[in-house]
Amino acid sequence: QKEVEQNSGPLSVPEGAIASLNCTYSDRGSQSFFWYRQYSGKSPELIMFIYSNGDKEDGRFTAQLNKASQYVSLLIRDSQPSDSATYLCAFHSGSARQLTFGSGTQLTVLP
Amino acid sequence: EAGVAQSPRYKIIEKRQSVAFWCNPISGHATLYWYQQILGQGPKLLIQFQNNGVVDDSQLPKDRFSAERLKGVDSTLKIQPAKLEDSAVYLCASSRSGRENEQFFGPGTRLTVL
Repeated sequence: QKEVEQNSGPLSVPEGAIASLNCTYSDRGSQSFFWYRQYSGKSPELIMFIYSNGDKEDGRFTAQLNKASQYVSLLIRDSQPSDSATYLCAFHSGSARQLTFGSGTQLTVLP
Repeated sequence: EAGVAQSPRYKIIEKRQSVAFWCNPISGHATLYWYQQILGQGPKLLIQFQNNGVVDDSQLPKDRFSAERLKGVDSTLKIQPAKLEDSAVYLCASSRSGRENEQFFGPGTRLTVL
C-alpha cells in the first residue's frame, strides 16, 4: 500500500474556476502535512502546510485536513494559467520527521 | 539570501560509470537532504544530514550510493556504478535546525544513464 495517494491527473480547469486537489495518507502518526508546487523542469516549492484539523487559508489557497479520514486537500480559488503545475502532497511522521511525497497531480488551468 | 546551489545541472553517463553531484545549502542551514525524483513520481528521500552527521539513510542504496558532508556545509552524492534505473533528478534541499517543515530545494541535477 502506497503511503500517500493523490487523485489521478491530469486535472484541467478553466481560468477563474476552483481547482480541487486531494490526497490520502496511511500513516496515522502523521502530524504535519504539506503542499508543494512544482513547475515543469523546476524544483518543488512549499506553498502550504497544515497541522490541525480544519481549514487553513492563504490568499487563493485553502488547505483542508481531516485526520480521522486521513485526507488532506488543497483548493485553489480563481485559478490562473500561472497555477498550471504539478502539486505534490507530503507529510511528516512524528518519529522520523522525514518528508514522504505523493506522486503529484498535474494541474492545467485553461485560459 | 542565496538559495541552494547544485552542480552540475545535467549529466549523461553510461551504465557502470561513476558520477558525483555537489550541493551547497543555504547559509546557516544545518540540515541537508538529498532526494531522488524519478519522472512522474514525487521526490524520495535518500539521506538526511544534521551538520556532518547522518540522521536518516534508510532509503539510500548503499551498495552503489554514498554521500558525505565532511565539514557540515556542502555535500556530495556519488553513484558507483550507475544503473539505467538511476536516471532521475537528484534534488538537494536544506532547512534550519528544528525547522524541518521548511525545506528549500535546489534546482536539481538531471542524470541520464544510457
